[in-house]
Amino acid sequence: DADVTQTPRNRITKTGKRIMLECSQTKGHDRMYWYRQDPGLGLRLIYYSFDVKDINKGEISDGYSVSRQAQAKFSLSLESAIPNQTALYFCATSDFGGLAGANEQFFGPGTRLTVL
Amino acid sequence: AQSVAQPEDQVNVAEGNPLTVKCTYSVSGNPYLFWYVQYPNRGLQFLLKYITGDNLVKGSYGFEAEFNKSQTSFHLKKPSALVSDSALYFCAVPNGQNFVFGPGTRLSVLP
Repeated sequence: DADVTQTPRNRITKTGKRIMLECSQTKGHDRMYWYRQDPGLGLRLIYYSFDVKDINKGEISDGYSVSRQAQAKFSLSLESAIPNQTALYFCATSDFGGLAGANEQFFGPGTRLTVL
Repeated sequence: AQSVAQPEDQVNVAEGNPLTVKCTYSVSGNPYLFWYVQYPNRGLQFLLKYITGDNLVKGSYGFEAEFNKSQTSFHLKKPSALVSDSALYFCAVPNGQNFVFGPGTRLSVLP
């Protein structure tokens, strides 16, 4: 979805390096999410944010941190990258309103991260 | 906790034939159910959702899904498959304020 952009699209780094993945959205949504995708495991939630002052850990937050710089920007950091963080990372947004849980998510194109 | 299962890792179907991608769910209360598709080198795209009402839900690209409460299933269907439907399909269910995704089913439509 072109309304959700991620940079970089591909990144190769070495063990121990600090990495930041960035996400921007023009959909005007308050809610933003970071997921990682591994083959056969589907998507697993790393962190989510419901507004600029709200940050919540997801299922697999260890080794990751996030920053919500503005409503439209949500970045994911790997403080000291390790090889098992090699994965495809997705940012997503959703609107708030109506029935809780009823709103679909809109995904960015993903960042393929390789940690050597 | 809410969960979904996709019993098939891979589904192969010939172009022009009907396709079904299976999803079963385990939720407390009334289920909200979603299907997403992931084309190669792309993020997930929303296909359709069931919130309430008619058990047959129509979505994007000619897909539909049938909610079956007695079988706790929400199978994705299309009457006539296209080669361009080849992709990874995910079933998902809200879990609190977030979503739980199934492991995905890879659909291959053979010409």
